Amino acid sequence: DTEVTQTPKHLVMGMTNKKSLKCEQHMGHRAMYWYKQKAKKPPELMFVYSYEKLSINESVPSRFSPECPNSSLLNLHLHALQPEDSALYLCASSQGGFRSSRYEQYFGPGTRLTVT
Amino acid sequence: GQQVMQIPQYQHVQEGEDFTTYCNSSTTLSNIQWYKQRPGGHPVFLIQLVKSGEVKKQKRLTFQFGEAKKNSSLHITATQTTDVGTYFCAGPLWNAGGTSYGKLTFGQGTILTVHP
Repeated sequence: DTEVTQTPKHLVMGMTNKKSLKCEQHMGHRAMYWYKQKAKKPPELMFVYSYEKLSINESVPSRFSPECPNSSLLNLHLHALQPEDSALYLCASSQGGFRSSRYEQYFGPGTRLTVT
Repeated sequence: GQQVMQIPQYQHVQEGEDFTTYCNSSTTLSNIQWYKQRPGGHPVFLIQLVKSGEVKKQKRLTFQFGEAKKNSSLHITATQTTDVGTYFCAGPLWNAGGTSYGKLTFGQGTILTVHP
């Protein structure tokens, strides 16, 4: 099974709402990533978890809060977002720890987020 | 910092024509990965090149890694409408001490349109 699943597929939220994005993989991968992608742009790294610990935070605003409950799950908690946060949010995973950049990343289908 | 430049940004071809996208890094890469993202989809790993001068083929797709490991190319022979999408190259980011930062630097992508 080489699948990364993400829920929900689409999310519309107001600027005062709190919501969560979920990601799951069952490939035994030990590195998991959150990316943000705007239209016609490459994925932009937000967070990296390695062995369930936060390894990289790319200076992401605190209104985005990641969580890794176990080795298969990754959440992204959203609170008080801005309209400019509207984007496709992608989860990815790869073998080994986060420094094993020689391994390919498997991306989930993404959550298309609209902030109104 | 490390930059990965990809050209062209857009490419429109007639079905049956060939297509090439080029990727250039400001620093030597340990490896380079290529991803394809279909319209409305998510990035999907295509291939990884590791060795200097390496050439790999996948059916109509040919991938090359430069001798200096600073550039790479993806060539598609006789494009088909199924080739439509954005092609990204990505290289791992390393520090001066040779330790991976654990993240990929993506090129800006080449958006391929194929006219039937």
